[in-house]
Parts: sequence; structure tokens; C-alpha cells
Amino acid sequence: QVQLQQSGPGLVKPSQTLSLTCAISGDSVSSNSAAWNWIRQSPSRGLEWLGRTYYRSKWYYDYAVSVKSRITINPDTSKNQFSLQLNSVTPEDTAVYYCARETGGAATAIFDYWGQGTLVTVSS
Amino acid sequence: QSALTQPPSASGSPGQSVTISCTGTSSDVGDYNYVSWYQQHPGKAPKLMIYEVSKRPSGVPDRFSGSKSGNTASLTVSGLQAEDEADYYCSSYAGSNNYVVFGGGTKLTVL
Repeated sequence: QVQLQQSGPGLVKPSQTLSLTCAISGDSVSSNSAAWNWIRQSPSRGLEWLGRTYYRSKWYYDYAVSVKSRITINPDTSKNQFSLQLNSVTPEDTAVYYCARETGGAATAIFDYWGQGTLVTVSS
Repeated sequence: QSALTQPPSASGSPGQSVTISCTGTSSDVGDYNYVSWYQQHPGKAPKLMIYEVSKRPSGVPDRFSGSKSGNTASLTVSGLQAEDEADYYCSSYAGSNNYVVFGGGTKLTVL
């Protein structure tokens, strides 16, 4: 059974960096058949896909156009986890952030396992 | 504004059937058979209910079914039960530029 456990602060000041981590159990961040995604949800923007990383003999990274200049997703094979960093945040980045496993490859948008969600509020 | 269009609400009485639509474009729903549907109860993470248009993950009741015609996908819930009351979201793969798009969600009420 795959489990995704999220951790990270729930409050970030404007202009600072939002950082979250997703620890994986029951699968590997280096899996050749999965991709590891970050998705957020807010009342104003609904569900919004942010980006993913996956390993196919080397690491790949895909990011949403809306956050491409501010986002970094990094795998950590030693801890079997992956992280999200979102720079220069504004109140518009306030949302519940989810990590999710994408199964069946890296071009399926089939998210079969999700983290518990982390409410991140951007406020001074 | 979400990339895929869903009705904001739907409802039905216990035992009835309800269908929720999800309209995209020829660049997402119309071009790929990677349409998924998610159920979300308040305060919980989304749960995969349908993938690849019409496939059900293990453990999802066969009361849930999916289909697609052109740029519009549909989720049908048959034999409505009280526990089906939730928000439902569709998603689609959208190619190597946009990758993943979601619908705005439909609140399903069991009357």
C-alpha cells in the first residue's frame, strides 16, 4: 500500500519561499512506472497541477506554465521523498497543497495516491 | 477559471442515476483517452474513481462509470447512495505544453 506523508510549514510570508516535502512509503521515488506530482487547491483556482518529477534512466521535470519561473521539484533518493519549493510567494499562492503519485507512466494524469494535504497560508 | 468545464452542481434521489459532464477541447479531452474522475469529501484528499475514460480502480463500486464523446467526458453514478454526496472533479492529460488540466468541480447532492 502506497502512502504519501506531507510535511512543511503552514504559514509563509509574502516574497519568501514555500517549501514542502512528501515522504513515500510502499513505492520508490526512482520508480520507472510512476511520476511524483504537486497539485494545489484553492477556492479561486480550483485544482491546479503544479509540476512533477520522474525517473526514466535520468531525472525529468515538468512544470506548469503558470509557476514555471518560481517552482522547483526535487527528488531525494536517500530519504525516498520529493520536495516542492515555490519562490516569491504572494497571497494568491494560499492553497491546500497535495503531493500525488501519477501511475501508468508520466503522461497519464492518473493520480492514484495522494498525500493528506497541507494548507499553506501566505500572510505577513 | 478551470480549463475543463463542469456544471457546478448536480443532484438526485437515492437509487437514481446522475450524470456529470466535463467539457474540454481537442487539445485535451478530445485528443487523449486519459480522462480521470475524482471524488472529494470535505476536508479530504481527492480519490481516484475513474481513469482512462471508463476504467475503475480496484475497490470502486461498479455504480460509477465513465464515457467520452468528442471533447466531452461524462461520469455516471447509478443507484445513488448517501455516501456519494461529494465534490467530483475531472482531469485530462493535455499534452507536453499544458500537461494536466482539471475541471472546476461538481457538487453532487443526494436528496
